[in-house]
Amino acid sequence: GENVEQHPSTLSVQEGDSAVIKCTYSDSASNYFPWYKQELGKGPQLIIDIRSNVGEKKDQRIAVTLNKTAKHFSLHITETQPEDSAVYFCAAPWRPYNAGNMLTFGGGTRLMVKP
Amino acid sequence: DTGVSQDPRHKITKRGQNVTFRCDPISEHNRLYWYRQTLGQGPEFLTYFQNEAQLEKSRLLSDRFSAERPKGSFSTLEIQRTEQGDSAMYLCASSSAGTGDGYTFGSGTRLTVV
Repeated sequence: GENVEQHPSTLSVQEGDSAVIKCTYSDSASNYFPWYKQELGKGPQLIIDIRSNVGEKKDQRIAVTLNKTAKHFSLHITETQPEDSAVYFCAAPWRPYNAGNMLTFGGGTRLMVKP
Repeated sequence: DTGVSQDPRHKITKRGQNVTFRCDPISEHNRLYWYRQTLGQGPEFLTYFQNEAQLEKSRLLSDRFSAERPKGSFSTLEIQRTEQGDSAMYLCASSSAGTGDGYTFGSGTRLTVV
């Protein structure tokens, strides 16, 4: 199955700065890479995802980039705000081409945005 | 629609007891997933249903675990003879095969085995 590594495990930034979280995956056949945000006491929430046929995707202050050759993808948050503080998880297919889209998650990054 | 609902939110049980959790997915979603999340870790896949059929199970789903989704609606996850290592957050998620791959997660059931 897929192996997903996520770095850093904790990230502290000043409000207004950018934050970057990186993930690597092991199976070159993987084709779908979502990012989830988890706040205390809640389940993970999908914030953005990317497929392997594109290299970058943006949604307002959030962007994801994918490097298939190097097998890594990154989450970029610009103009961070205190409400961005949460744990962020990357994910990749548990098995490539699995029809049910089961996922393997990274270990998470705790982002703290200081006012 | 109020999203994915899980019940109970918290469960404390003694080692050796059986527990059952319930998940009500978003009504139009035909895919349902169970994940387990331990403190400080990412969710780990347990099992997947498409409608009422259980199509995938991970090796984490030992023979003490069983999941059902009768009639393709709500799902239950039962753990028999609980062990302290079963203490975790159990997350349910649902999605629709026809509208992309993104999941909607519930808020989870936190199990503590004492």
